Amino acid sequence: DGGITQSPKYLFRKEGQNVTLSCEQNLNHDAMYWYRQDPGQGLRLIYYSQIVNDFQKGDIAEGYSVSREKKESFPLTVTSAQKNPTAFYLCASSSDRGEKLFFGSGTQLSVL
Amino acid sequence: GESVGLHLPTLSVQEGDNSIINCAYSNSASDYFIWYKQESGKGPQFIIDIRSNMDKRQGQRVTVLLNKTVKHLSLQIAATQPGDSAVYFCAENRDPMDTGRRALTFGSGTRLQVQP
Repeated sequence: DGGITQSPKYLFRKEGQNVTLSCEQNLNHDAMYWYRQDPGQGLRLIYYSQIVNDFQKGDIAEGYSVSREKKESFPLTVTSAQKNPTAFYLCASSSDRGEKLFFGSGTQLSVL
Repeated sequence: GESVGLHLPTLSVQEGDNSIINCAYSNSASDYFIWYKQESGKGPQFIIDIRSNMDKRQGQRVTVLLNKTVKHLSLQIAATQPGDSAVYFCAENRDPMDTGRRALTFGSGTRLQVQP
């Protein structure tokens, strides 16, 4: 099946710890994105990448880092600098830059 | 416009009625717009999109209207069904950091409740 796979579905972070969320796609899409969603709110853009080895900050990049070493993978690291990391994290990809996105099923991150 | 969080706007309609969900976008340079539907705990699902060279686009039971003069987007759902109950988001493609690379940025959503 073609699609976007996010793992894990649930993740817990301790104070001061970095955690990495996985996102893999087999749609052969060039562009990949990370969004954060807080309860009852919209999606806010964290980072995005339109091509391998290149990525841009979104509206709320502080406290996060990404890499894009392979076309199919775009992992997101939530660093200890992110003081309020509890949220639902959504990864997406698109074949057309800045256009129709296909979303994964999300990772719920909580702080212990 | 839309504002969510604890004050998520809610539209309540009767089954079979038509629904209209509105959205104000921010950037007059945006040239592509899209509507998504999100059910609780899931990723958003594509509904319909429209480019800025169009005013209206129709899909199956859905119509998107674009008014560039006032930067307004609306989603019309005909004969609303209980399965349409969800949160609906609009999005525009803009360039957050002026890098020349656009990405979709989302409005804050409207909850649609369909009463049987």
